[in-house]
Amino acid sequence: EDQVTQSPEALRLQEGESSSLNCSYTVSGLRGLFWYRQDPGKGPEFLFTLYSAGEEKEKERLKATLTKKESFLHITAPKPEDSATYLCAVQVYQGAQKLVFGQGTRLTINP
Amino acid sequence: DGGITQSPKYLFRKEGQNVTLSCEQNLNHDAMYWYRQDPGQGLRLIYYSQIVNDFQKGDIAEGYSVSREKKESFPLTVTSAQKNPTAFYLCASSAGQKYPGAFFGQGTRLTVV
Repeated sequence: EDQVTQSPEALRLQEGESSSLNCSYTVSGLRGLFWYRQDPGKGPEFLFTLYSAGEEKEKERLKATLTKKESFLHITAPKPEDSATYLCAVQVYQGAQKLVFGQGTRLTINP
Repeated sequence: DGGITQSPKYLFRKEGQNVTLSCEQNLNHDAMYWYRQDPGQGLRLIYYSQIVNDFQKGDIAEGYSVSREKKESFPLTVTSAQKNPTAFYLCASSAGQKYPGAFFGQGTRLTVV
C-alpha cells in the first residue's frame, strides 16, 4: 500500500532558527513528489515538484530535496509569515495518476 | 485572473439532507478532483474526472456523487448516505493526468447541524 508519513506533526521555532521537515514514503512507483503550503481555512498552495533522487529546488527561504525514500523541506532563517501547515504528496499510478498525501506538519515561527 | 472557485465557503447541512458543493475553474484544465480533509489527516480523494462526461471513484466515494457536464465545472453532492460529512472539502484541477498536483480552490467547510 502506498503510504506517506510526515514528521514532526508540529514544530515550533524561533524567528531565524533553521530546521527541516521530513516526508518519508513507501510507494510502488514514484512519479513525482509535491510540497504544498496550507494556511488555516485555505486551500493548499503549490510549492515544489521533485521527480528524481538527488533533485533539489529552492524558493526564498525554502529548499526541497529528494532521496529514494524521503524528502526534506529545509527552512532557512524562517520568519513568522512562514507559519503554516506544510503538506507532502506523492504521485502514483493506481489505474490513473493520483496523489497520496501525508498528514502534514504544522509549523509555527515565533517572533 | 485564472483559478478555481469553490462555493459556498461555509455550508450547514441538516441530518438526512443532500447538499451540493460548487467547483468552477477557468484554467482550461482537463482534469478535476475532489478531496476531503479532516483535522490531523491528509487529503483523501473522493472523485476525479479526466475529461468531460467521465469520472471515477477515488478512495472514499461512498455517500458522494459528482457530475462533469462542462469542462469548467465539477460539482460534488454530499448525500444523506454519507455518515460523517462534517469536513473541509477541496477541489483541484490540473492540465492533465500526467500532472495531478496543480491548483486547489479555497475550500468549502461543511458542518452537519
